[in-house]
Amino acid sequence: QKEVEQNSGPLSVPEGAIASLNCTYSDRGSQSFFWYRQYSGKSPELIMFIYSNGDKEDGRFTAQLNKASQYVSLLIRDSQPSDSATYLCAVRGYSSASKIIFGSGTRLSIRP
Amino acid sequence: DADVTQTPRNRITKTGKRIMLECSQTKGHDRMYWYRQDPGLGLRLIYYSFDVKDINKGEISDGYSVSRQAQAKFSLSLESAIPNQTALYFCATSDPTTDRNEKLFFGSGTQLSVL
Repeated sequence: QKEVEQNSGPLSVPEGAIASLNCTYSDRGSQSFFWYRQYSGKSPELIMFIYSNGDKEDGRFTAQLNKASQYVSLLIRDSQPSDSATYLCAVRGYSSASKIIFGSGTRLSIRP
Repeated sequence: DADVTQTPRNRITKTGKRIMLECSQTKGHDRMYWYRQDPGLGLRLIYYSFDVKDINKGEISDGYSVSRQAQAKFSLSLESAIPNQTALYFCATSDPTTDRNEKLFFGSGTQLSVL
């Protein structure tokens, strides 16, 4: 079992709709959770970070964390064509000395 | 100027050759990482270093070695390259501002092809 799992997609969402991306992780002691966006041919960039159970909102993005179920999700409201990218979930273990492990990424396509 | 610089940007080599990928940073971060990216497999951690004297293996360290020459430099070596090491390689740095938040800053990547 991979430490961090994501559906590879592609996930196709109409413009203006909500895109929902999911991620599960195996290490129950994990403490920090990240969402990175990667455009084709570019480097990943951090868009959301969460460590407490519940929701965290930043503009059109909402990260949701459920430690009991070991999943983290990313919602993108009012999806735009510019949101078309690969979204990578990353998890860090129980301490600041832990490594950061990525999932395989979900490719998101926003259709006009 | 880029804060995290990887050289070369592209490299084609032959099976069995030794190759070194270099990463330098001007961010003043102590932590540096090497990841490889293959289509459909996301980013996989090869090695990471939390300071000059600290080197740790990641998920897929076999066939690779690293050297942390200074706080600003972290090199990845393939002692004897093989075709399944063909991938996009990323260097990243971080400087945790809190105990839980650790943003990674990535270089532009090195596309390596082993023939």
